[in-house]
Amino acid sequence: EDQVTQSPEALRLQEGESSSLNCSYTVSGLRGLFWYRQDPGKGPEFLFTLYSAGEEKEKERLKATLTKKESFLHITAPKPEDSATYLCAVHPQRTYKYIFGTGTRLKVLA
Amino acid sequence: NAGVTQTPKFRVLKTGQSMTLLCAQDMNHEYMYWYRQDPGMGLRLIHYSVGEGTTAKGEVPDGYNVSRLKKQNFLLGLESAAPSQTSVYFCASRSGTREQFFGPGTRLTVL
Repeated sequence: EDQVTQSPEALRLQEGESSSLNCSYTVSGLRGLFWYRQDPGKGPEFLFTLYSAGEEKEKERLKATLTKKESFLHITAPKPEDSATYLCAVHPQRTYKYIFGTGTRLKVLA
Repeated sequence: NAGVTQTPKFRVLKTGQSMTLLCAQDMNHEYMYWYRQDPGMGLRLIHYSVGEGTTAKGEVPDGYNVSRLKKQNFLLGLESAAPSQTSVYFCASRSGTREQFFGPGTRLTVL
C-alpha cells in the first residue's frame, strides 16, 4: 500500500537554528515527490518537485532532497516567517492520485 | 491571473441540507481535484477529474457528487449534509509537470 509518513509532527526552533523535516514514503513506483507550505487558514502553497533519487532543489532558506525511501526538507537559519505546516505528497505511477502526509508544524521563535 | 478560486469561503449547514461548492481555475489545467482536510488526517482525496466531462472517485467519495461541465470549473455537491462532513475543503488543479495548485479552501460546518 502506498504510504507517506512525516516526522516530526511538530518542531520548535529558535531563529537561526537549522534543522530538517523528514518525509518517508513507500510507493510501487514514484512519478514525483512534492513539498508544500500551508499557513493557517490558507491552502497549501507549492514549494518543490523532486522526481528521482539524488535530486536536490533549493529556494531561499529551504533545500529539498530525495532518496529512494525518503525526502528531507532542510531549513537553514530559519526566520519567524518560516513558521507554517509543511506537507509532503507523492504521486505514484499508474494513478492520477496523490498521497499526502499529515504534515510537520514548524514554529520559529524570534 | 487568479489561479484557483473557491466559493464560498465559509458555510454553515443543518443536517440534511444540500449545497454546492464551486472551484474555478484560469490556468487551463486538465486535471482537477477535491480534497478534505481534517485535523490529524492530512488531505484526503474525494473526487477528481482528468478532463472536461470526466470524473472519478477518490479515497473518500461517499456522500459527495461532482461535475466538470467546463474545463475551468469543478463542482462538489453535498446532497444531504451530515455532521461527519464538517471539514475544510480544498480544490486543486494540476499542471503538466504534476505539481498541484490549491485554492484558499471552504470551511464547512454541519450542525
